[in-house]
Amino acid sequence: ILNVEQSPQSLHVQEGDSTNFTCSFPSSNFYALHWYRWETAKSPEALFVMTLNGDEKKKGRISATLNTKEGYSYLYIKGSQPEDSATYLCALRNRDDKIIFGKGTRLHILP
Amino acid sequence: NAGVTQTPKFQVLKTGQSMTLQCAQDMNHEYMSWYRQDPGMGLRLIHYSVGAGITDQGEVPNGYNVSRSTTEDFPLRLLSAAPSQTSVYFCASSYREGNTEAFFGQGTRLTVV
Repeated sequence: ILNVEQSPQSLHVQEGDSTNFTCSFPSSNFYALHWYRWETAKSPEALFVMTLNGDEKKKGRISATLNTKEGYSYLYIKGSQPEDSATYLCALRNRDDKIIFGKGTRLHILP
Repeated sequence: NAGVTQTPKFQVLKTGQSMTLQCAQDMNHEYMSWYRQDPGMGLRLIHYSVGAGITDQGEVPNGYNVSRSTTEDFPLRLLSAAPSQTSVYFCASSYREGNTEAFFGQGTRLTVV
């Protein structure tokens, strides 16, 4: 069973501050790393899919990096806004086609 | 474009009853999967399929069966429901290539009493 770990489990951030959180995963048999944003009462929606070591992706104020050799990815949010409050999930896709999710980081933006 | 459609949205079952959760996608995705979401546990993979006629077990397959007779449909069967199967179930689909995102259905909230 693959073990995808996310930290912290929960995070409170003041509006306007920047923040980041971590996803760690076993690096053997790696195929892709996904990040999803999950708002309460909705379905997860993809933010990024990264496949190459050193990949960096950006969408507005949110960006992500990937290190497949050491098995981690960071998600960064710059200038947090209330609408950023959500659970952020990372998921590992291995070459055996399983997509395994971490337990998520629950982000609360404080006004 | 409907995307991934799950039915029903809500269901209450009695212990021992059977039922099928439906999932259909209209994006011609080869890859489809079922997850369950429980408090503090994130999304756990139940079963997945990389194409019609092919299914495989995920992290928590016990008590569930699946089949994939067409590319579009991937039903999840509970043969004899147990209270431990009370959960929110999500179906997801994607292209088989690893660099593509998964699209999720709206979820089915199942309660087993």
